[in-house]
Amino acid sequence: GIQVEQSPPDLILQEGANSTLRCNFSDSVNNLQWFHRNPWGQLINLFYIPSGTKQNGRLSATTVATERYSLLYISSSQTTDSGVYFCAVPSGGYNKLIFGAGTRLAVHP
Amino acid sequence: DAGITQSPRYKITETGRQVTLMCHQTWSHSYMFWYRQDLGHGLRLIYYSAAADITDKGEVPDGYVVSRSKTENFPLTLESATRSQTSVYFCASSEAPFSGRADTQYFGPGTRLTVL
Repeated sequence: GIQVEQSPPDLILQEGANSTLRCNFSDSVNNLQWFHRNPWGQLINLFYIPSGTKQNGRLSATTVATERYSLLYISSSQTTDSGVYFCAVPSGGYNKLIFGAGTRLAVHP
Repeated sequence: DAGITQSPRYKITETGRQVTLMCHQTWSHSYMFWYRQDLGHGLRLIYYSAAADITDKGEVPDGYVVSRSKTENFPLTLESATRSQTSVYFCASSEAPFSGRADTQYFGPGTRLTVL
């Protein structure tokens, strides 16, 4: 089945710094999602981004489907950005999502 | 409230007990999913359902049972809880296919389960 790899596995930032998280996938996909599991344990949809670039406030994401990767940019990071970021791609006919192992982000004041 | 809800949010139980985690969505989404999230594993699919009375196994189904008698509810039961089932459980739903955004899954707030 399709493999999803995320890097880096862990990231520590000082508040205000920028970062880039990467998601590689092993097969062609027609959709990719980014999620954030925040420090309160909630899983939040960030982007639905099968291709191209989207922006939402300080976050933006770019997917280059032909090269099988996606990037999540976090600018001017805040402590509330801490948590785990997952990318996920569909697999199978029932909208199943395959998740990467996540990038654990810690933003310190 | 509209959306997808899970209950309880936190649960502590003992080995061998039966536990049921509830999931309810108000969007009339056809598809519903149960995931568990553990350190180093990301989210792994336990079971999913394409419609009422249609369920199927995911990646890690052993030790779990699901049912879907109504479209809006998708309970997950641990028939005899084990310590290895200590995890955070997320329920999700999505629209039927061919609707343009069918691949987007919407997640509940999660249930943190501890098995002693």
